[in-house]
Amino acid sequence: AAGVIQSPRHLIKEKRETATLKCYPIPRHDTVYWYQQGPGQDPQFLISFYEKMQSDKGSIPDRFSAQQFSDYHSELNMSSLELGDSALYFCASSPLGGMNTEAFFGQGTRLTVV
Amino acid sequence: GENVEQHPSTLSVQEGDSAVIKCTYSDSASNYFPWYKQELGKGPQLIIDIRSNVGEKKDQRIAVTLNKTAKHFSLHITETQPEDSAVYFCAASNSGYALNFGKGTSLLVTP
Repeated sequence: AAGVIQSPRHLIKEKRETATLKCYPIPRHDTVYWYQQGPGQDPQFLISFYEKMQSDKGSIPDRFSAQQFSDYHSELNMSSLELGDSALYFCASSPLGGMNTEAFFGQGTRLTVV
Repeated sequence: GENVEQHPSTLSVQEGDSAVIKCTYSDSASNYFPWYKQELGKGPQLIIDIRSNVGEKKDQRIAVTLNKTAKHFSLHITETQPEDSAVYFCAASNSGYALNFGKGTSLLVTP
């Protein structure tokens, strides 16, 4: 079965640079979530989209922005990167607006800021 | 907001024994409680979930129980195998919104 696809899998950036992470949800899933996971930590919710509109917002820094496109893929844009942004970034997708249904996670993008 | 507490943080069992992980949540509006298994360097994998209108759910060696009154839910793994070794996260959400995760339990199953 098709899974959530994230790209790139690994990314190394310098401080103050920008990064763009991409997420391709499972086909026919209309909801996308972004999570950040630091080493040894639990995933922290950043932001979500349903039918291309922001549906929920968590602890996403103002330096980050995201959007969902007409084909339902999503991109997380990160600017003025800081060392503390180094983490695993996961995208998850759900069908039916996430109502009473499961969220499936991708394999993540490991971002290292040096 | 929702606060999910998970215990224990580490758990070591012998192969064939059972493992139990417990979580509590604070928001009475939460109605969806999934469990994820995460192996090193991989994304969280949904292994079982339960909704607030159900008290127990079982899938082969894995079962989850929910006590809405006490606001706690538990994961039970029977006949553990070495490949069950991973970090397990409980989560809670008001369906359609973000998952609030517990801090995770590192399970080690020794042969």
